[in-house]
Amino acid sequence: AQSVTQPDIHITVSEGASLELRCNYSYGATPYLFWYVQSPGQGLQLLLKYFSGDTLVQGIKGFEAEFKRSQSSFNLRKPSVHWSDAAEYFCAVVPNTGGFKTIFGAGTRLFVKA
Amino acid sequence: DGGITQSPKYLFRKEGQNVTLSCEQNLNHDAMYWYRQDPGQGLRLIYYSQIVNDFQKGDIAEGYSVSREKKESFPLTVTSAQKNPTAFYLCASSHPGASYEQYFGPGTRLTVT
Repeated sequence: AQSVTQPDIHITVSEGASLELRCNYSYGATPYLFWYVQSPGQGLQLLLKYFSGDTLVQGIKGFEAEFKRSQSSFNLRKPSVHWSDAAEYFCAVVPNTGGFKTIFGAGTRLFVKA
Repeated sequence: DGGITQSPKYLFRKEGQNVTLSCEQNLNHDAMYWYRQDPGQGLRLIYYSQIVNDFQKGDIAEGYSVSREKKESFPLTVTSAQKNPTAFYLCASSHPGASYEQYFGPGTRLTVT
């Protein structure tokens, strides 16, 4: 079945440590790929997106993500986490089938400890 | 500033009452969406609209209704038929064919008792 999987429900990292959030998708053709961030009680904000080309994409707030076709993955990374990065992160895809509906993963909640 | 507004931020209703959630955008986007968010379940699509006077059911449309009389507005009515309406509701818009990215409002938390 077509799906977007975020294997980690929550992750805790120390401030200043590196971060990697995992995302895997199962679609026949490479979909359009996105990462969104949601602060508690707020809407979602786009961090970055991948359509084609360079497989390492840069986003806002110092985040980057790498698309790996062989692994059907689009993992989000940040070299040094700040306390303000504590939030919920959603991986999302738009299947490359002519439609435009976005399919969201279940989310990963990031906790940052001092 | 362009964006999406949702009102109110918090809404309380008694069981059996219909309630309408407001969503307005001034981004000139053609497409608008309503999502429901429950803890641990991500976002689930309720309804979406690609153009004025047209809308389609999403994955969990039962117990909800929408209208799209104006490009800027896409109100959601939670009816008494919705079995478990307490949730966080998010409205979003996008410009299909451009970048597919969605712009979200701040959400409305509905509590039904």
